[in-house]
Amino acid sequence: NAGVTQTPKFQVLKTGQSMTLQCAQDMNHNSMYWYRQDPGMGLRLIYYSASEGTTDKGEVPNGYNVSRLNKREFSLRLESAAPSQTSVYFCASSADRVGELFFGEGSRLTVL
Amino acid sequence: AQSVTQPDIHITVSEGASLELRCNYSYGATPYLFWYVQSPGQGLQLLLKYFSGDTLVQGIKGFEAEFKRSQSSFNLRKPSVHWSDAAEYFCAVGDDKIIFGKGTRLHILP
Repeated sequence: NAGVTQTPKFQVLKTGQSMTLQCAQDMNHNSMYWYRQDPGMGLRLIYYSASEGTTDKGEVPNGYNVSRLNKREFSLRLESAAPSQTSVYFCASSADRVGELFFGEGSRLTVL
Repeated sequence: AQSVTQPDIHITVSEGASLELRCNYSYGATPYLFWYVQSPGQGLQLLLKYFSGDTLVQGIKGFEAEFKRSQSSFNLRKPSVHWSDAAEYFCAVGDDKIIFGKGTRLHILP
């Protein structure tokens, strides 16, 4: 059982470069989320998708875009990376609006 | 706007002692509340959740939490901690949009 799979697990970017974090879940979940985790800041919601075809901003959406490609996949794009976006990114999914969140293993991004 | 406050950044308790981690929330309606745990180098795991009904909820690993609407709190408790409980604990609130607190890191003294 793969659960929630994120790629890549590690990435180093230079300021201004772009990249996409991929997330896929195989649990037939409706809702998907992207969080970032920084020391002392907990997890902050970047974007979420309550169902296929919808996306909404979270707490810290600036500098990011998302695509809910289909029910399985939810990608996060950094168009022009900045050092402030150095973080560990977690994708999560849940069966419904208030279900348990299942997290991926995280993607560690460093922007130089 | 919804928010979650975990007042304690670090807590240290002795193995076998009782534990209470505090969580206060702000939410416009009946809250959906969660506690998650993140062990070192690990992902996040749900400990317990509250949607409605009995205000004392039981979770995994011997944890429980009590919802107190009048205090806007959802504190996590455990009667006797084990060394393996050392981790970071996150309180969360929301429905479509699930917001987490900044976490409380629990240290266990042998």
